[in-house]
Amino acid sequence: KNEVEQSPQNLTAQEGEFITINCSYSVGISALHWLQQHPGGGIVSLFMLSSGKKKHGRLIATINIQEKHSSLHITASHPRDSAVYICAVKGYQKVTFGTGTKLQVIP
Amino acid sequence: DTAVSQTPKYLVTQMGNDKSIKCEQNLGHDTMYWYKQDSKKFLKIMFSYNNKELIINETVPNRFSPKSPDKAHLNLHINSLELGDSAVYFCASSQRGLAANEQFFGPGTRLTVL
Repeated sequence: KNEVEQSPQNLTAQEGEFITINCSYSVGISALHWLQQHPGGGIVSLFMLSSGKKKHGRLIATINIQEKHSSLHITASHPRDSAVYICAVKGYQKVTFGTGTKLQVIP
Repeated sequence: DTAVSQTPKYLVTQMGNDKSIKCEQNLGHDTMYWYKQDSKKFLKIMFSYNNKELIINETVPNRFSPKSPDKAHLNLHINSLELGDSAVYFCASSQRGLAANEQFFGPGTRLTVL
C-alpha cells in the first residue's frame, strides 16, 4: 500500500461542476502540498497546509490531521482546470508523492 | 524574470555518457530540490539542499551528484547514463521558515538516453 493514496485516479467533469479530489496518507507529516501539473508538463504549487483550510480563488484545500486526509475542491470548474493534481506529504526530511488525479473538464 | 530556470530543456544522449543539468533561482530562496518524473508520470524527490547543504538524499544511485556552488544554483550531474535515467527532471526552490514553504518549480528538463 502506498503511503499516499489519491482518489479518484481519473475524473471527468462538466464545466461548472464542483470537484473534489481526495488524498489520504499513512505517515506522520509536517505539511501537505497540492500541486497542479498542466498538460504541457509545467508544475505549479497550489497549496501547502498543515492544518485547517486554505482558499485561493476557486480552489479550496482542507486537511484533517487526525484522519490523515486532505481534500482539494474546485468550484465552478472550467476547462482550463484540466490538469493532473498531485498530493505530496512532507515528513521529517522526506517528501512522498501521490500518483496524481487526472482531471478533465468538458465544456 | 523567470523565477526558477533549468537548462537545457531537452537533452538527448547516448548510454554511458556524463551529462549535467543546471538550475538557477532568482527568488532568494535558501532551499532547492531535484525531482524525477518517470514515464508513468510519478514524481519522486531526489535531493534537497538548504544553504548549500544536503538535507534530503533519497535512494538515488551515486551516479547522480548534485552540486550547489551557491544558494541560487543547484546543478545535477549524472555519470554513466543508463536507459532508466530517461525521465523529466524538475528543479524547485522554497524558503524555509516561511509559513507556506511553497515550492516554485522550474519548467523541467526532458532527458532521453538512447
